[in-house]
Amino acid sequence: KAGVTQTPRYLIKTRGQQVTLSCSPISGHRSVSWYQQTPGQGLQFLFEYFSETQRNKGNFPGRFSGRQFSNSRSEMNVSTLELGDSALYLCASRAGGRETQYFGPGTRLLVL
Amino acid sequence: QQQVKQSPQSLIVQKGGISIINCAYENTAFDYFPWYQQFPGKGPALLIAIRPDVSEKKEGRFTISFNKSAKQFSLHIMDSQPGDSATYFCAARITLGRLYFGRGTQLTVWP
Repeated sequence: KAGVTQTPRYLIKTRGQQVTLSCSPISGHRSVSWYQQTPGQGLQFLFEYFSETQRNKGNFPGRFSGRQFSNSRSEMNVSTLELGDSALYLCASRAGGRETQYFGPGTRLLVL
Repeated sequence: QQQVKQSPQSLIVQKGGISIINCAYENTAFDYFPWYQQFPGKGPALLIAIRPDVSEKKEGRFTISFNKSAKQFSLHIMDSQPGDSATYFCAARITLGRLYFGRGTQLTVWP
């Protein structure tokens, strides 16, 4: 089975712009979670989608949003980018009812 | 507020030695405790996980020890190898799909 894929792998944006990141889960997995990884804050949960519904949300401002499509692929969007949004954004997929989350390689976002 | 506290931040171990990483938590609602391993340029990968009703779990050279009363758990890597050099994260879960991670331990195993 192919693993979790994320596109793009690297991205450079400037402050005030918006960005959309994409995640394709492992085939058959209906849950997708997003995490932000920074040296200062570590790995922090953004949100989780299951069957196109957001089921859980972390403590991030409303500039961070996401969605999930009927094929379980997910996108996250960050509007009005700030320098502090520079991070590695990871998505993880999980089979329904199972605990193990499988992470993708991440998208490294740099905001200038 | 960090829900899961991890130590040490970095660890240097000689090849063949034992690596020990510790984590502590406060929230007794946590019911699943995984450890993840992350190499540079990669996403975290599940290494081993334990539930609080078990005091120890071993998979190959990796062992989790769990102390429910102390709200602490630790990862032991026996016979550490240079290929084990990576960042290790402990985590805890209350609800499916959301993990609370420790800050990570950068392990270096030198030959």
